[in-house]
Amino acid sequence: QQQVKQSPQSLIVQKGGISIINCAYENTAFDYFPWYQQFPGKGPALLIAIRPDVSEKKEGRFTISFNKSAKQFSLHIMDSQPGDSATYFCAATLSGNTPLVFGKGTRLSVIA
Amino acid sequence: DTGVSQDPRHKITKRGQNVTFRCDPISEHNRLYWYRQTLGQGPEFLTYFQNEAQLEKSRLLSDRFSAERPKGSFSTLEIQRTEQGDSAMYLCASSFQGVNYGYTFGSGTRLTVV
Repeated sequence: QQQVKQSPQSLIVQKGGISIINCAYENTAFDYFPWYQQFPGKGPALLIAIRPDVSEKKEGRFTISFNKSAKQFSLHIMDSQPGDSATYFCAATLSGNTPLVFGKGTRLSVIA
Repeated sequence: DTGVSQDPRHKITKRGQNVTFRCDPISEHNRLYWYRQTLGQGPEFLTYFQNEAQLEKSRLLSDRFSAERPKGSFSTLEIQRTEQGDSAMYLCASSFQGVNYGYTFGSGTRLTVV
């Protein structure tokens, strides 16, 4: 049973465009939703995270939008750059007392 | 502190051999996690420790897998009688129990079973 479903599997975006990656979760008890960025040969690195008491969180060019009623959250990368080309994973946990469960990942390619 | 360190970075072993991986977490982090990642997939949880206590093990963790964290510092993950299906990236992460639930991952150990 996959607890976090991520889409799309891959994404190609023009430089300067907006990249949007979506995730849906099943467990309504989840209360922390991070996004991780992974480059080839490296471990995932925490990018940005949100809690369900807010609908949006922005850090630089990265924004998480959260829809509690739909049990969905998404990552928006504004002004996408070639250096953003990586695999992105959404994840979820219950107050940090359960291990993070990850989506299957989205491979983003930003082309000039 | 240089982050989470994993050793070795790469390991090639013959089927049936035993292998052991080491993880050194961020020193002030009391939680340590092991995940497995195969190509094109997200990290899958294997087990985690809080200090030296192993709090949870995934059903993915067969009896050929064992993990330890003596003295609540570094951790080792051992795979006995390796199988080709064990080929994967083994990731270690650490965190500090509290308000911030984010993990810091190491660069992983890539295991290839031939």
